[in-house]
Amino acid sequence: QQQVKQSPQSLIVQKGGISIINCAYENTAFDYFPWYQQFPGKGPALLIAIRPDVSEKKEGRFTISFNKSAKQFSLHIMDSQPGDSATYFCAASSLIYNQGGKLIFGQGTELSVKP
Amino acid sequence: DAGVTQSPTHLIKTRGQHVTLRCSPISGHKSVSWYQQVLGQGPQFIFQYYEKEERGRGNFPDRFSARQFPNYSSELNVNALLLGDSALYLCASRSVGAAKEKLFFGSGTQLSVL
Repeated sequence: QQQVKQSPQSLIVQKGGISIINCAYENTAFDYFPWYQQFPGKGPALLIAIRPDVSEKKEGRFTISFNKSAKQFSLHIMDSQPGDSATYFCAASSLIYNQGGKLIFGQGTELSVKP
Repeated sequence: DAGVTQSPTHLIKTRGQHVTLRCSPISGHKSVSWYQQVLGQGPQFIFQYYEKEERGRGNFPDRFSARQFPNYSSELNVNALLLGDSALYLCASRSVGAAKEKLFFGSGTQLSVL
């Protein structure tokens, strides 16, 4: 019940295309859903996050879509660029129970954007 | 402002040894969490500390311990190292005021156990 399942494991997109990564969760106590971007040799960096009271959040080229009834959320990267090539992790947390310090991460998606 | 800093960046140990990893949070952040990231997987939660007290523990054996100091820096200790402890160890800090849900990670300590 604590798992967050992420797909696909790897993704290849052409420059200018849309990258879509999906995640699903089981624990209905989760109330915070961030996405992290990680480059080789670096720690994960917070990209964008959403709370379950909204169905979509957009920041620049990055959009989170959230479906509370299906317990699914996804990251859309519009106009994908070679610089977006990285590993992306979805995560979930229960702010009520642990105030955000404990994140449950998905398995990661290795994105490669071809020029 | 400096981000989360971790030391050392790389470490090589042999089985059975002990290791101490260090973390300095972002200035003003009072909560620190530790994560283990095995190659090809997402980070796994180990500990959360706030005001020098343990506020959460993941599914890790008692060989793993941690503490937080009055200046909010933190140490992760691992005893009796096993080959399977080889991983990137990440420290993260967060504010306990506004935007308290945002977790900021350091670049990690790459531990290799031979």
